[in-house]
Amino acid sequence: ETGVTQSPTHLIKTRGQQVTLRCSSQSGHNTVSWYQQALGQGPQFIFQYYREEENGRGNFPPRFSGLQFPNYSSELNVNALELDDSALYLCASSSQQGSYGYTFGSGTRLTVV
Amino acid sequence: GENVEQHPSTLSVQEGDSAVIKCTYSDSASNYFPWYKQELGKGPQLIIDIRSNVGEKKDQRIAVTLNKTAKHFSLHITETQPEDSAVYFCAARVGGGADGLTFGKGTHLIIQP
Repeated sequence: ETGVTQSPTHLIKTRGQQVTLRCSSQSGHNTVSWYQQALGQGPQFIFQYYREEENGRGNFPPRFSGLQFPNYSSELNVNALELDDSALYLCASSSQQGSYGYTFGSGTRLTVV
Repeated sequence: GENVEQHPSTLSVQEGDSAVIKCTYSDSASNYFPWYKQELGKGPQLIIDIRSNVGEKKDQRIAVTLNKTAKHFSLHITETQPEDSAVYFCAARVGGGADGLTFGKGTHLIIQP
């Protein structure tokens, strides 16, 4: 059973650019959620995807968007990058919509300069 | 929305002693309370969780207690070992899960040899 895998592991972007982060969910999991973790803080919920639809969203602006594909993998897109977007972006998967036991990946470290 | 407070921010204990981390939550509709361990450079790893219809749960050296009336829950680690050193996060989830997890700010647990 493979866990949650994320790519790339590290990324450096310039302010104003756009970025796409990718996530493969754990085998058997059909729900994917994304979190932003600033240095020294707990993860903050960005949004969740179930059956290729966004079904929950945290307090993040529309320039944060996502996709879920038929194989349950997912992308997080961030437009018009700001310096404060620098963080660790975590993907988590679970086996049911709104279920228990979220499994996290190791994250993508995004640095905006 | 939900707010989770976690204390202490840093906890240093002697190897073999017990460690206790406490969290409070604000939304009485929260029904799921997981605890995660995060090591340097890795994503959060689920170590134990509890649902709102249960007061206590134990898994070997780790236990979690939940007091719904007071809206607080605690993580207890007994017979601490060096490999327990990490950052621990509590989290709470409201309702069916589309709102995602709300995390505390984390506790840096240091096990002194």
